[in-house]
Amino acid sequence: DTGVSQDPRHKITKRGQNVTFRCDPISEHNRLYWYRQTLGQGPEFLTYFQNEAQLEKSRLLSDRFSAERPKGSFSTLEIQRTEQGDSAMYLCASSLGLAYNEQFFGPGTRLTVL
Amino acid sequence: AQSVTQLGSHVSVSEGALVLLRCNYSSSVPPYLFWYVQYPNQGLQLLLKYTSAATLVKGINGFEAEFKKSETSFHLTKPSAHMSDAAEYFCAVSNSGGYQKVTFGIGTKLQVIP
Repeated sequence: DTGVSQDPRHKITKRGQNVTFRCDPISEHNRLYWYRQTLGQGPEFLTYFQNEAQLEKSRLLSDRFSAERPKGSFSTLEIQRTEQGDSAMYLCASSLGLAYNEQFFGPGTRLTVL
Repeated sequence: AQSVTQLGSHVSVSEGALVLLRCNYSSSVPPYLFWYVQYPNQGLQLLLKYTSAATLVKGINGFEAEFKKSETSFHLTKPSAHMSDAAEYFCAVSNSGGYQKVTFGIGTKLQVIP
């Protein structure tokens, strides 16, 4: 068990550029979640995958955001035409499909939009 | 709908003193409740969880929490604070059905004074 990994750990980009983040969940976990965390706030739910199916998206996930999990393993989160308000920590978590939802979190990707 | 309220965004305790971090929840269905800890520039680590078994839950690093339905509370305690406990703590709630979407509080930053 190597834990949830995220890449890159830090990303600095200019406004208007596109960025893509990757998350590798714990290998046997079929559920994968993306969260956004801004300074002074708790993580806010963005989207959720059960295997390769994206089952729910938050209203926070505007049409500039897209997430995929093509083979039910790793996932990518892309932000198009980044805005300064997108600056945040993007957290990925994964879990087993059990009755309770213990999510294991990755270290996060910190995005700074200049 | 579900939510958590963490009372006190910053808490300071002396080393060796009791730690008490407050969390009240709101949920229309029987909840699952969690406490996570986050160290600077890291992801979240699960401290403990309540999943409708014992109301007093023991977690890692000497922390425990008690589920009180009548008070809709799930406060986190530790008898004696250690310098290494300095971190941010998040209370979270999920429902007990479906895929258990997790909603986090805004966090409480714990400072331990030597």
